[in-house]
Amino acid sequence: NAGVTQTPKFQVLKTGQSMTLQCAQDMNHEYMSWYRQDPGMGLRLIHYSVGAGITDQGEVPNGYNVSRSTTEDFPLRLLSAAPSQTSVYFCASSYGGGRNTGELFFGEGSRLTVL
Amino acid sequence: AQSVTQLGSHVSVSEGALVLLRCNYSSSVPPYLFWYVQYPNQGLQLLLKYTSAATLVKGINDFEAEFKKSETSFHLTKPSAHMSDAAEYFCAVSRSGGSYIPTFGRGTSLIVHP
Repeated sequence: NAGVTQTPKFQVLKTGQSMTLQCAQDMNHEYMSWYRQDPGMGLRLIHYSVGAGITDQGEVPNGYNVSRSTTEDFPLRLLSAAPSQTSVYFCASSYGGGRNTGELFFGEGSRLTVL
Repeated sequence: AQSVTQLGSHVSVSEGALVLLRCNYSSSVPPYLFWYVQYPNQGLQLLLKYTSAATLVKGINDFEAEFKKSETSFHLTKPSAHMSDAAEYFCAVSRSGGSYIPTFGRGTSLIVHP
């Protein structure tokens, strides 16, 4: 199993450009989420999904959109990139229903720089 | 609401010394607790977890943590530090009932000196 796969691993954008960070998992997990990691701030939840067709906002959703059309995929879209979105982004998944304890399985991360 | 406090953004130890990383949590219901490790330029991986079974939890690489309800703590320890333990460590809490979305601490960077 590949687990959680994120692409791209590195990306440089100019202010105002748009892009999509891809996330796919092959563990049939119902729950998927996106975090950003900034120095001294830990991990902050951007958006999450408890199943296909269902998404919700986390702690820092502004400037980001998500959709969940399949169980496997959970892309994160930046519609108009800003320098404040320079960060490392992590996708994570976990079991749903009665098997969900909050334990997360993480991807390797995507490092985004906005100039 | 739930929250996690990790005391010390950086902890420095000598190789072979005891490792102690502190984590205190708040939760209105019995918690599930986790420690994750992040090696440089990698994602987070689970070290160990407490999900209401034994209060002393053993994880990978000889790490362990003890759930102390009276102290609302879940400190991470390792008897003897190795150079390869140098990494960022995150404590997280989720609730045993209702929402399972975890809340993370800000992380502690473990530095191991030879």
